[in-house]
Amino acid sequence: NAGVTQTPKFRILKIGQSMTLQCTQDMNHNYMYWYRQDPGMGLKLIYYSVGAGITDKGEVPNGYNVSRSTTEDFPLRLELAAPSQTSVYFCASSYVGSLNTEAFFGQGTRLTVV
Amino acid sequence: GQQVMQIPQYQHVQEGEDFTTYCNSSTTLSNIQWYKQRPGGHPVFLIQLVKSGEVKKQKRLTFQFGEAKKNSSLHITATQTTDVGTYFCAGPARLTFGEGTQLTVNP
Repeated sequence: NAGVTQTPKFRILKIGQSMTLQCTQDMNHNYMYWYRQDPGMGLKLIYYSVGAGITDKGEVPNGYNVSRSTTEDFPLRLELAAPSQTSVYFCASSYVGSLNTEAFFGQGTRLTVV
Repeated sequence: GQQVMQIPQYQHVQEGEDFTTYCNSSTTLSNIQWYKQRPGGHPVFLIQLVKSGEVKKQKRLTFQFGEAKKNSSLHITATQTTDVGTYFCAGPARLTFGEGTQLTVNP
């Protein structure tokens, strides 16, 4: 099992450009999450999904969009990148509905907007 | 929405000293999870607590869940340099994380 795979690992974007951060999991988890983490700070929830076709906003959704067309994939779209979106982005997944709802994280995507 | 608050934000200890971080919620939690993030790494699950008053141990780490299920703590006995990192608690609603406690250990 690969777990949670994020691509790319690093990316530099120019202001106003767009990009999609990819996230895929092979554990048949129903819940998936996107977080951003600024240097020395905690994890802020951007969007989450409780299953294919269902997504909802987290704490900091502005400037981002998501989709969940399959159980495995949960891409995060940045439209019109801004310097404030410079951060490390983590995707995570968990199975909610069993006793243990441990979340597994991807390795992260380090995004710089210049 | 549900929020979990964590204190302290930073803790610097000498190797061999103990360390404790606390997590508090304004609402009752059905469970609480703890994660560790090494510098430059991603969060890794440590443990989940479910029952009121629950205490779980993992070697030098002791996790407690309060009787009212509104607070939790992580205690590390005799810290080692390998304990360096940020420790997060997370509530179950949308997997909401506290701000974390960043632990540094002076050898």
